[in-house]
Amino acid sequence: QVQVVQSGAEVKKPGASVKVSCKASGYPFTKYYVHWVRQAPGQGLQWMGLIDPSGGNTNYAQKFQGRVTLTRDTSTSTTYMELRSLRSEDTAVYYCARDRGSPRGTFDYWGQGTPVTVSS
Amino acid sequence: IQMTQFPSSVSASVGDRVTITCRASQGLSNWLAWYQQRPGQAPKLLIYAASSLQSGVPSRFSGSGSGTDFTLTISSLQPEDSATYYCQQANSFPRYTFGQGTKLEIK
Repeated sequence: QVQVVQSGAEVKKPGASVKVSCKASGYPFTKYYVHWVRQAPGQGLQWMGLIDPSGGNTNYAQKFQGRVTLTRDTSTSTTYMELRSLRSEDTAVYYCARDRGSPRGTFDYWGQGTPVTVSS
Repeated sequence: IQMTQFPSSVSASVGDRVTITCRASQGLSNWLAWYQQRPGQAPKLLIYAASSLQSGVPSRFSGSGSGTDFTLTISSLQPEDSATYYCQQANSFPRYTFGQGTKLEIK
């Protein structure tokens, strides 16, 4: 069965970076895009970007351009989200989600979420 | 593309029929999905392509609409349906956006 498991909670200081992992299993990893979505406390969902695990191509939301990098390791079926120059507004739960593929842009399996707290 | 949901919150009784609306700032064809998020949990896909039921989702959930106006309907509300519901446009690859959410409470 499809499973998506994320790394644990993080606490960072302003200006630092965070790297969150997302390990997939139960399906052919390179055949489905992976998206990252975040949710600030009490707020809605915000799409951050996607990665094509096959070739490593990425697309980012304009809001995060230059501050976020998505990568993948096909040997371990894991994708990574690194966010740099953290500020308090980046405090949120970060989710990875698999793209259903048909239709594209619909997220059918989600990780459990990784809380990231940015505080001095 | 901006997504607007209404109402922002709704309260209904078990067995009621509930409808949530989502409006897009431009036409989406049928590239619209609905998600359910219970407190402390990740979102769960309910409906894709505006009206297709995701596998494993109860048949009391249904979606309709095309273009700019879409609805999610729960035909007979159950206690476990207490959650926040989000619409999401999948039309403008890869700039996906969500509605602000509708919180559904059981009376």
